[in-house]
Amino acid sequence: PVLTQPPSASASLGASVTLTCTLSNDYSHYKMDWYQQRPGKGPRFVMRVGTGGIVGSKGDGIPDRFSVLGSGPNRYLIIKNIKEEDESAYYCGADHDRGDNFVAVFGGGTKLTVL
Amino acid sequence: QVHLVESGGGVVQPGRSLRLSCAASGFTFSNYAMNWVRQAPGKGLEWVAIISKDGSNRYYADSVRGRFTISRDNSQNILYLQMDSLRGEDTAVFYCARVLYDDGAHWFAPWGQGTLVTVSS
Repeated sequence: PVLTQPPSASASLGASVTLTCTLSNDYSHYKMDWYQQRPGKGPRFVMRVGTGGIVGSKGDGIPDRFSVLGSGPNRYLIIKNIKEEDESAYYCGADHDRGDNFVAVFGGGTKLTVL
Repeated sequence: QVHLVESGGGVVQPGRSLRLSCAASGFTFSNYAMNWVRQAPGKGLEWVAIISKDGSNRYYADSVRGRFTISRDNSQNILYLQMDSLRGEDTAVFYCARVLYDDGAHWFAPWGQGTLVTVSS
């Protein structure tokens, strides 16, 4: 699969923002994962999303302000009541496991700036 | 608490080798697949390799296949990445991450803090 993300987004403190990741055509039914990477840190799993919304549980320490939606090939990460600590790069990821081969891919990432 | 700590990064000349390690704690290491992901300076994430929980299955990204080898020591709770024939484009922070699996799909949690590999003459 190929995952496409806009390179940047911005939102004001206390506002909401929706980040988008688009799966390539043949993989529009795939589940996908969101990861947060704060400056200078390793990535952190946020949550997984399918066409029906969240799949499973959120990652450790992810606040209720974070939620997801899925529609067709698009997967959304919604952040409400944005805080300074949310300023990060957000990556979407998916894998393709055929049993005899495995590949994982990431989108190019969206850098979220908190104004 | 689940904890992953990478080590072994450094500056290496093109064509040389380097071995990275990832020490795991806080979970039963032998029950999980593990993988490596890298990030070139200022760039996004690139998956590198994955190894099954018993080490019997290993898969690689096209960009490293034939040059990198992923392995593990379940008695010591350590994941390795042997990197041979290094190139300038291998310069990156390398992260190890535990692989979780459910309903036919995988995700990575947690990740380590990363170790920087710089390939330069």
